[in-house]
Amino acid sequence: QTVVTQEPSLTVSPGGTVTLTCASSTGAVTSGYFPNWFQQKPGQAPRALIYSTSNKHSWTPARFSGSLLGGKAALTLSGVQPEDEAEYYCLLYYGGAAVFGGGTQLTVL
Amino acid sequence: QITLKESGPTLVKPTQTLTLTCTFSGFSLSTSGVGVGWIRQPPGKALEWLALIYWDDNKRYSPSLKSRLTITKDTSKNQVVLTMTNMDPVDTATYYCAHVGVGTTFAYWGQGTLVTVSS
Repeated sequence: QTVVTQEPSLTVSPGGTVTLTCASSTGAVTSGYFPNWFQQKPGQAPRALIYSTSNKHSWTPARFSGSLLGGKAALTLSGVQPEDEAEYYCLLYYGGAAVFGGGTQLTVL
Repeated sequence: QITLKESGPTLVKPTQTLTLTCTFSGFSLSTSGVGVGWIRQPPGKALEWLALIYWDDNKRYSPSLKSRLTITKDTSKNQVVLTMTNMDPVDTATYYCAHVGVGTTFAYWGQGTLVTVSS
């Protein structure tokens, strides 16, 4: 069974920069896995941030960016705001089947 | 404006079959490249992808749940239905449906519906 791994938790100071990563148990993550990133706040449905590695939705703040880094998918937040405190999930595609990562709880402190 | 809304029972008994309906607006499931997916989230746990159906009736299922899931669409009613058989308390979760567009995945989500499995 394919496993997608994220950091369980990260802490960042307001105004700082943080990178969340998304690894695959099958090996290096490439653009062919069409990495997606979602943000979820308590009691809310997930909100899509990034699709196909680095593409932003029209509502995605400019401080969010997606990339491939060291064989993983990555989500970088630059100039973190207090409202960015949330759970972040990545999603990878494996030949038509999708797998979510376990999520990263981002604390802004 | 794309919207989706899940509906179905809030409580099911173990071994029963769950049927959930996703009713959407703002797009058509007859448009090339478009699809609808189902995702669930147990309380306090991570998201889990369940199934996808595309405009051409192509279907994809989570390998771990494939034997229990069926996804269908009614294009004329703008609805997608997910059935899950042999429900167990571990299936207690909020179930979401979400839009799949050309080149994008799950850009739009429903509000979710909490399903509790208990006798």
